[in-house]
Amino acid sequence: SQQGEEDPQALSIQEGENATMNCSYKTSINNLQWYRQNSGRGLVHLILIRSNEREKHSGRLRVTLDTSKKSSSLLITASRAADTASYFCATDVQGAQKLVFGQGTRLTINP
Amino acid sequence: GAVVSQHPSRVICKSGTSVKIECRSLDFQATTMFWYRQFPKKSLMLMATSNEGSKATYEQGVEKDKFLINHASLTLSTLTVTSAHPEDSSFYICSAPRRGLEQYFGPGTRLTVT
Repeated sequence: SQQGEEDPQALSIQEGENATMNCSYKTSINNLQWYRQNSGRGLVHLILIRSNEREKHSGRLRVTLDTSKKSSSLLITASRAADTASYFCATDVQGAQKLVFGQGTRLTINP
Repeated sequence: GAVVSQHPSRVICKSGTSVKIECRSLDFQATTMFWYRQFPKKSLMLMATSNEGSKATYEQGVEKDKFLINHASLTLSTLTVTSAHPEDSSFYICSAPRRGLEQYFGPGTRLTVT
């Protein structure tokens, strides 16, 4: 069953603005990952944050994790039209390698 | 470059026929692979865990006789949709963990059953 909830479901912003997406989950995790998916394509791994980490950066991406609130956020700074895609958080099931995905956020960057 | 491939990328079949989808890890061995399905504008739903040399583990609500999974080698898992019906039309994606943590996803297979 899905354990991740993401908000917003859809986000439309102007190029150059920052985009923030949030993810909440229900059970204990070892790590949380963010993925991007362009329409009709496979998933691209963006970043992984472990349960003992609070913040992680990768280029224009910044991910935070609050295990006490069971939530994470993905911030994309200085957005570009090419960032238009769906973004999913995924959590591992403790003791297993399988991932459970959130509902996703459809991000549209308007030029 | 891609580390997990899927074949075919698109398939159209008639209702009642069976379709086989292959998932390959290209430069690493994967004793475990995962199969997901995704409906349009929806998230990925885990269907089953494919285990090399043993039976697949299916998620609740997934018919194992409908979706046959075979993990015959350390680099290949196959998903066969048996007696396909239009409601089986979906985007099927496989993944394989590498170095234990990071999962690599295949490009997906779009199945259309007419």
